[in-house]
Amino acid sequence: AQSVTQLDSQVPVFEEAPVELRCNYSSSVSVYLFWYVQYPNQGLQLLLKYLSGSTLVKGINGFEAEFNKSQTSFHLRKPSVHISDTAEYFCAVSDLLSSNTGKLIFGQGTTLQVKP
Amino acid sequence: DAGVTQSPTHLIKTRGQQVTLRCSPKSGHDTVSWYQQALGQGPQFIFQYYEEEERQRGNFPDRFSGHQFPNYSSELNVNALLLGDSALYLCASSLRQSKQYFGPGTRLTVL
Repeated sequence: AQSVTQLDSQVPVFEEAPVELRCNYSSSVSVYLFWYVQYPNQGLQLLLKYLSGSTLVKGINGFEAEFNKSQTSFHLRKPSVHISDTAEYFCAVSDLLSSNTGKLIFGQGTTLQVKP
Repeated sequence: DAGVTQSPTHLIKTRGQQVTLRCSPKSGHDTVSWYQQALGQGPQFIFQYYEEEERQRGNFPDRFSGHQFPNYSSELNVNALLLGDSALYLCASSLRQSKQYFGPGTRLTVL
């Protein structure tokens, strides 16, 4: 079975500062990794995903994440945040078997609060 | 092109009642997944429907059931509602194993 741990429940940061949202996962098999963003009263939007290949993945809105297999981590980063980045961020995994059905295992979420 | 739509937006029920939530997938999609997101938690996978059959199920009791229609739309039914069923219910659609698109969700409150 897989599990996802998001190490910070809340991350306050000032506008234009860099930010890192941390995600560790546990799995006995190879996995696919995802980051989703949820704005208030909206559904989830895919930011980026790692399936294979380069461990540095670039996504939308200037976000990127790095897959580290030895540390079983998939941290999300942005070099300069904007007020509009304030939202809930979810890390998720899917094993290769479940990827055929799209079943995702989500972490508990990290609230990114960007202050002016 | 409309994305994933869900109805109703909000719903209030009392314990013991039954509820039906509806989801219309994004145009061209044939697969629908349902997730439950309790307050302050990440979404949890309930089940997925493809070709009108349940293809995979998460750790939810039989009180949770679903259906997919020939037009690929889907319903989630919950019987004998408990207070703990209060949550945001998210529907996601995809074309087989491709990227999933999430709807805005239905907020269910059980009193």
